[in-house]
Amino acid sequence: AQKVTQTQTSISVMEKTTVTMDCVYETQDSSYFLFWYKQTASGEIVFLIRQDSYKKENATVGHYSLNFQKPKSSIGLIITATQIEDSAVYFCAMREGQSNYNVLYFGSGTKLTVEP
Amino acid sequence: EAAVTQSPRNKVTVTGGNVTLSCRQTNSHNYMYWYRQDTGHGLRLIHYSYGAGNLQIGDVPDGYKATRTTQEDFFLLLELASPSQTSLYFCASSERLGLGGREQYFGPGTRLTVL
Repeated sequence: AQKVTQTQTSISVMEKTTVTMDCVYETQDSSYFLFWYKQTASGEIVFLIRQDSYKKENATVGHYSLNFQKPKSSIGLIITATQIEDSAVYFCAMREGQSNYNVLYFGSGTKLTVEP
Repeated sequence: EAAVTQSPRNKVTVTGGNVTLSCRQTNSHNYMYWYRQDTGHGLRLIHYSYGAGNLQIGDVPDGYKATRTTQEDFFLLLELASPSQTSLYFCASSERLGLGGREQYFGPGTRLTVL
């Protein structure tokens, strides 16, 4: 069974607007870590932001923030004031707390296109 | 920030051919990983390792071997390449959770085509 699911395959928004990308996850662990990565057109995969499950406050880094809804097993990525260079594929990932090897489970990705 | 390099960046081989993909990380991370990326599947874990000589099996290991020769170097071996192994391969590394490690850092990828 898929541990991490991203149902939006692609999204298109206008520049300077706000976009939310959805992600739901499945785990039995009480402690876990959630991540968002960005893959640029060149193929480079870059870590963006992390949410630790025991933290109630939503993580924020620059113009990226998370909407962590623990009861719904949901971790949305919010990008505010989008820029053309935000166009990329965004992956959600989860690390279970019981993992001894820091293994990540990835979703299938959401392609974001930011139009001028 | 972790530095992860991969070679070659592009490789074309024929069915039945022998291929070795190389990965080196220079940030003294304990953990290293090999993934393949295919349209619609995201990143799927092939093999991973927590140190020299150690190997763990991932979710899609069939047709792949791996070897971790040093803390820095992790190799992925395809001994009888098949067209189904045409893919984009990524290597990644991370530190142990106990040492503050959580994120994985990725190399630039190797595009492999098996004809």
